[in-house]
Amino acid sequence: DAKTTQPNSMESNEEEPVHLPCNHSTISGTDYIHWYRQLPSQGPEYVIHGLTSNVNNRMASLAIAEDRKSSTLILHRATLRDAAVYYCILRDSWGYGQNFVFGPGTRLSVLP
Amino acid sequence: DTAVSQTPKYLVTQMGNDKSIKCEQNLGHDTMYWYKQDSKKFLKIMFSYNNKELIINETVPNRFSPKSPDKAHLNLHINSLELGDSAVYFCASSHDGLAGGYNEQFFGPGTRLTVL
Repeated sequence: DAKTTQPNSMESNEEEPVHLPCNHSTISGTDYIHWYRQLPSQGPEYVIHGLTSNVNNRMASLAIAEDRKSSTLILHRATLRDAAVYYCILRDSWGYGQNFVFGPGTRLSVLP
Repeated sequence: DTAVSQTPKYLVTQMGNDKSIKCEQNLGHDTMYWYKQDSKKFLKIMFSYNNKELIINETVPNRFSPKSPDKAHLNLHINSLELGDSAVYFCASSHDGLAGGYNEQFFGPGTRLTVL
């Protein structure tokens, strides 16, 4: 699986936008970019995913660079509940039971 | 209804014992997983089952044996527990199929295993 690199930690003020970067320079053409987050004492939860185009859902937006070697998860208005570890993961679109390779992620702190 | 459930939530046991963790999903998914999250918080895949067949078996001691009685259940049995097995174990499921790698995984709440 192609690897991703993320900053270890980031800080944001409540109700401000947050941009969480992810580099994946060895991404292949069939790799989807997934974002998950893990709140304290909980299992990871899905945030968003995309292939080439930018994506929006109720939780966040995903901006994918034109060369696909990097992406940014955007939380439009951070809340205290968004404090979590955010994981950027690549997963091939083909093959049964493809596993997710979780890196250390980015620990996001949200200040009131 | 809980999508992916695990039992027990906490498990404290002595070294050398045998224990099982159960996982059930009611999402109709065809693929289930076990992950281990150690004290450093790294989340690592252990096993993956697709339609009750083992697909992924990472480098895990053979003391760990997954069992999938049906598509909705994937249990993890651990023999001769060691101190290093202490971790949080997460079950997950997804609907994969041959071209479903883009599908999201749903995780259970985790089982915190403490080996004394």
